[in-house]
Amino acid sequence: EPEVTQTPSHQVTQMGQEVILRCVPISNHLYFYWYRQILGQKVEFLVSFYNNEISEKSEIFDDQFSVERPDGSNFTLKIRSTKLEDSAMYFCASSAAAFTYNEQFFGPGTRLTVL
Amino acid sequence: GNSVTQMEGPVTLSEEAFLTINCTYTATGYPSLFWYVQYPGEGLQLLLKATKADDKGSNKGFEATYRKETTSFHLEKGSVQVSDSAVYFCALSDQTNAGKSTFGDGTTLTVKP
Repeated sequence: EPEVTQTPSHQVTQMGQEVILRCVPISNHLYFYWYRQILGQKVEFLVSFYNNEISEKSEIFDDQFSVERPDGSNFTLKIRSTKLEDSAMYFCASSAAAFTYNEQFFGPGTRLTVL
Repeated sequence: GNSVTQMEGPVTLSEEAFLTINCTYTATGYPSLFWYVQYPGEGLQLLLKATKADDKGSNKGFEATYRKETTSFHLEKGSVQVSDSAVYFCALSDQTNAGKSTFGDGTTLTVKP
């Protein structure tokens, strides 16, 4: 069964450093998302991406964040200068379409720890 | 905007007890509704879904019915097992918001033998 994959599973970085989180969505999917979950809290939407551009972003997704689909398979989230409060689990998701009946498939997550 | 409200946890039950986790939602369009489960240290797994009013989603003994009149999608299981211990998230997705998902706060379920 096709699945969304994410690398690395755990990333530790120093405050102020740049990190890139990588995701490989399901191959025929067209819509891509990033979510984050701070430890013990709810899952929060960050950004959606379609047709090589951002469809929607939340207030969390400020200028320190960017997303890119550099080739036909990868979808990346970059945090330019990490802060302590960026420590969280980051989930990538993809869906075949944005219709309500098209579920999103979530990856296993990358746990980001900022020291 | 869209929102999802789940009953507050944590919930602790004995094995074979009946489980209900309440979920209500607010949405501008006609959302699809989902329950996700997150086991300790793992990612999100889709447990069940319903895409229109009166649909019942079911999986692994869990059920939830999409009730438009009460804007609810309560999760139920007749007899829980220790292995059901996890965090359960109710969520909705709405095509008017680029298909993004909105999650509830999550309910931690602990089942004791």
